[in-house]
Amino acid sequence: DTGVSQDPRHKITKRGQNVTFRCDPISEHNRLYWYRQTLGQGPEFLTYFQNEAQLEKSRLLSDRFSAERPKGSFSTLEIQRTEQGDSAMYLCASRGRRGVEQYFGPGTRLTVT
Amino acid sequence: AQSVTQLGSHVSVSEGALVLLRCNYSSSVPPYLFWYVQYPNQGLQLLLKYTSAATLVKGINGFEAEFKKSETSFHLTKPSAHMSDAAEYFCAADFGNEKLTFGTGTRLTIIP
Repeated sequence: DTGVSQDPRHKITKRGQNVTFRCDPISEHNRLYWYRQTLGQGPEFLTYFQNEAQLEKSRLLSDRFSAERPKGSFSTLEIQRTEQGDSAMYLCASRGRRGVEQYFGPGTRLTVT
Repeated sequence: AQSVTQLGSHVSVSEGALVLLRCNYSSSVPPYLFWYVQYPNQGLQLLLKYTSAATLVKGINGFEAEFKKSETSFHLTKPSAHMSDAAEYFCAADFGNEKLTFGTGTRLTIIP
């Protein structure tokens, strides 16, 4: 397994712009998760997919956020009209059919100026 | 409410000393429990997991954790700290709803 990968690793954007992040899970992992981590805090759950179906969204995920996993493989997380409060590390994780543990990618650090 | 609490946001130990990082959960049913480590500007690496098999769980890098239902605890230990152990450590729980609930983390500093 090559591990979970995320792109880009860093993103600096101006307030009001749209940004999109990509996550590639470990191959054959059917579950994919997005978390957000702010400075000095633990990660907080945003949403998760089983195959291509988005099964749960946190109340943290406002209408400006949208996530997709169109073919049950990679996923994208889009933030529209970014705000300074969106500045955080966005972490992706995947989980296989039989395991209970989640494996995390390196994260995408977003800075909104 | 189901939650995870990590006592001590910062812990400092001398190189070679015992490492003890505390984690308690709040739930009527024991969850699956995990410890992750995070180095600066990196993602989380799984150290170990508890899935109701053995109560003493061994992980990578010499770490282990003991699940105690009576104390709702899952503390992380390592007999002898190494400089490379300096990092942020997170305890997390799966309360049966597919997602992880994390504690606020403990920053471990190793004193040479």
